[in-house]
Amino acid sequence: DVKVTQSSRYLVKRTGEKVFLECVQDMDHENMFWYRQDPGLGLRLIYFSYDVKMKEKGDIPEGYSVSREKKERFSLILESASTNQTSMYLCASSSIAGGAFTGELFFGEGSRLTVL
Amino acid sequence: GEDVEQSLFLSVREGDSSVINCTYTDSSSTYLYWYKQEPGAGLQLLTYIFSNMDMKQDQRLTVLLNKKDKHLSLRIADTQTGDSAIYFCAEANSGGYQKVTFGTGTKLQVIP
Repeated sequence: DVKVTQSSRYLVKRTGEKVFLECVQDMDHENMFWYRQDPGLGLRLIYFSYDVKMKEKGDIPEGYSVSREKKERFSLILESASTNQTSMYLCASSSIAGGAFTGELFFGEGSRLTVL
Repeated sequence: GEDVEQSLFLSVREGDSSVINCTYTDSSSTYLYWYKQEPGAGLQLLTYIFSNMDMKQDQRLTVLLNKKDKHLSLRIADTQTGDSAIYFCAEANSGGYQKVTFGTGTKLQVIP
């Protein structure tokens, strides 16, 4: 069964703390994504990566960074957490099947972060 | 940039049909998707349609695409309580880095 695993389902952090959100996929997918989900705003893309050590900014990268040292792992880093980063964070992966993009994203269950 | 819009909420009675609507702005969209998110879970792909198609049917699901109006709809026949979830419309084009843009999501409530 294909799987995207996010290390923490729930986190509570204080303003100014450094936060790491980890995501691992076991499908040998080339592409990995970090989204945040907020009520009424849907999913917004923070960063994505199409290869090891490669990263691209999404629509809302400010205040975030990412790391992809291995193909299966994509980490989201909040260098100094702020209250407006309280949100649900969703990791996803996708494959370039036979060179063609199908667009199907496989999602983890999400990490709900609260910043106090 | 790309924009995808949906109404936020829909309530239907069990056994009725549900129709969830979506509009998008990117005329170069190649793929259009419907994802489902059940409570406490991530999103799962429900169905998709290529931009050169008008309609796709998959069991109780019917997807209609009006490319001229950039309008996508999802019809669920004989809606069941297990269909209660948030439904996201999404679009992508075949260029660039395969970026998928999501709508705001429509919360479907099915009343027994």
